[in-house]
Amino acid sequence: DSGVTQTPKHLITATGQRVTLRCSPRSGDLSVYWYQQSLDQGLQFLIHYYNGEERAKGNILERFSAQQFPDLHSELNLSSLELGDSALYFCASSARQGGYGYTFGSGTRLTVV
Amino acid sequence: GENVEQHPSTLSVQEGDSAVIKCTYSDSASNYFPWYKQELGKRPQLIIDIRSNVGEKKDQRIAVTLNKTAKHFSLHITETQPEDSAVYFCAATQSNAGGTSYGKLTFGQGTILTVHP
Repeated sequence: DSGVTQTPKHLITATGQRVTLRCSPRSGDLSVYWYQQSLDQGLQFLIHYYNGEERAKGNILERFSAQQFPDLHSELNLSSLELGDSALYFCASSARQGGYGYTFGSGTRLTVV
Repeated sequence: GENVEQHPSTLSVQEGDSAVIKCTYSDSASNYFPWYKQELGKRPQLIIDIRSNVGEKKDQRIAVTLNKTAKHFSLHITETQPEDSAVYFCAATQSNAGGTSYGKLTFGQGTILTVHP
């Protein structure tokens, strides 16, 4: 267990629908990062939140949005889903005192049918 | 922004051989370089990392070297075993001196390592 919790683990939904992915960072970590990993693709950065504030945005589609709540958990909202949005979505958190770096959650596998 | 190039994209070795994966980065401000191992369908797991104030770091059979001048870093795995078979990703980012704040990680494209028994 990495300490980063992602739910749900699997999600199957239809095109045009909206889903919410949830991430709870390791205890004490203030940063949450979201990454998308499509089949045969690397890890594409989506967005970074630090203590509730957006810090950086990557190639995140306008149909996607995220937020980080006061308790530091984060949600990634994906709307008007398309077949091409099927992917593994990972969140990661950093960094505990002492610099443990980045740790990834187990991911949410999204399948759009 | 940062760009990380990783080579080779696939690497096949015999058990017991060494494997080397190389990465180059573009942003001279990057100062933290982790390596992740990802098994099929699993999360990327940190296997070793290096900061820009050191040139080499070893942990048992794995080592990472960093050349700041040339902006490249490499992963070395010795005495490879079948369980080393996975996808390996290099990455780069900036962190503060205390290691308590990190920017976004920029990943290389990944190397599929296959170790044949």
